[in-house]
Amino acid sequence: GAGVSQTPSNKVTEKGKYVELRCDPISGHTALYWYRQSLGQGPEFLIYFQGTGAADDSGLPNDRFFAVRPEGSVSTLKIQRTERGDSAVYLCASSLRGTGDTEAFFGQGTRLTVV
Amino acid sequence: AQSVAQPEDQVNVAEGNPLTVKCTYSVSGNPYLFWYVQYPNRGLQFLLKYITGDNLVKGSYGFEAEFNKSQTSFHLKKPSALVSDSALYFCAVRDTANFNKFYFGSGTKLNVKP
Repeated sequence: GAGVSQTPSNKVTEKGKYVELRCDPISGHTALYWYRQSLGQGPEFLIYFQGTGAADDSGLPNDRFFAVRPEGSVSTLKIQRTERGDSAVYLCASSLRGTGDTEAFFGQGTRLTVV
Repeated sequence: AQSVAQPEDQVNVAEGNPLTVKCTYSVSGNPYLFWYVQYPNRGLQFLLKYITGDNLVKGSYGFEAEFNKSQTSFHLKKPSALVSDSALYFCAVRDTANFNKFYFGSGTKLNVKP
């Protein structure tokens, strides 16, 4: 079956521009996570959705970052007025349930480069 | 506060030898513990998890991990390393008190030499 799909795989944008990153989770998975991974670091939590609602957005670094999941499936991470410090790999993951005992399945990530 | 520590940036082993990748954690409640592997330009792949019960858990590709509550550790092990095991390994924890997120360690690069 299909895994978590993220598009685009690579995105280069100019400082100050707006970008959208898309995540297609595994079908039937109710929980969806966005993480950010900088070079040489472990993934850092950004936001968690249970269904359509953002159950925990405590990891979003500032109000330039926003994410939606309007129908409880596909999610979009939106970054306004991008800065060079936003350059990283953005990872999306989904899990069957939002309970703590379930593992998450990750996509290949979107490598964002802000120039 | 919840956190994960992987004290070794890199582990080098010879093919056929046993390997250990270390992980310690800190949580408020009880832990759910996970190991993931990342190959170059790939996403994280789930290896195994500890939820409850037997302290030794077995996972994919012959890997296993041992949960030690007193030492707050969850070390990843494999009896005989393969060159193809060379990759970046991440330990992660979820807290039963607040399981909205996984907390990841900084990763350990495993190099298996022929």
